[in-house]
Amino acid sequence: ETGVTQTPRHLVMGMTNKKSLKCEQHLGHNAMYWYKQSAKKPLELMFVYSLEERVENNSVPSRFSPECPNSSHLFLHLHTLQPEDSALYLCASSRKHGQGEDTIYFGEGSWLTVV
Amino acid sequence: GDSVTQMEGPVTLSEEAFLTINCTYTATGYPSLFWYVQYPGEGLQLLLKATKADDKGSNKGFEATYRKETTSFHLEKGSVQVSDSAVYFCALSPNYGQNFVFGPGTRLSVLP
Repeated sequence: ETGVTQTPRHLVMGMTNKKSLKCEQHLGHNAMYWYKQSAKKPLELMFVYSLEERVENNSVPSRFSPECPNSSHLFLHLHTLQPEDSALYLCASSRKHGQGEDTIYFGEGSWLTVV
Repeated sequence: GDSVTQMEGPVTLSEEAFLTINCTYTATGYPSLFWYVQYPGEGLQLLLKATKADDKGSNKGFEATYRKETTSFHLEKGSVQVSDSAVYFCALSPNYGQNFVFGPGTRLSVLP
């Protein structure tokens, strides 16, 4: 039990499908993050939200669309993905973004396979 | 910008062997330092952390000491078990206004 819950844990989708990944944190944090983890590559920071406002978008293709309706929930909407988007998508949260002396906590991840 | 360097491995050890995974960092000011562990098929879990120089973080038999003079935070365990097989990430929480920085991860395999 990490305090950050992701659903679904596994998702297989076709390139023309629309799906969403969901993340919920129960830690009372104000910052939430999406990371992508591909085989043999470093962790890639995709999006950062602080107090429900997007503060960072690291050149992520528009086929990935984040949404943060409140400080406890974060979504990643997926549309017309490519096979190279298959990866583990990790949601994380921290007390405050960019405040120093902070700790980041991760969910279990959502394994995405694009066919 | 801030950065973390760690040995990429893979590291293969026999059960009960001594483990060291090196981590060095570059940062302005005084970052907090972390080790995370990722077991197969799971997300990253916080293993231990240290927030200031000479602090020692410890958990589950693992230890790491924040060495400012050598900008290092090496992970050690005296006797590894098969269940310690995982990927280990060194990370830092930089000063204000910047994102967390992660190393590339070190894969550890422990053989019975």
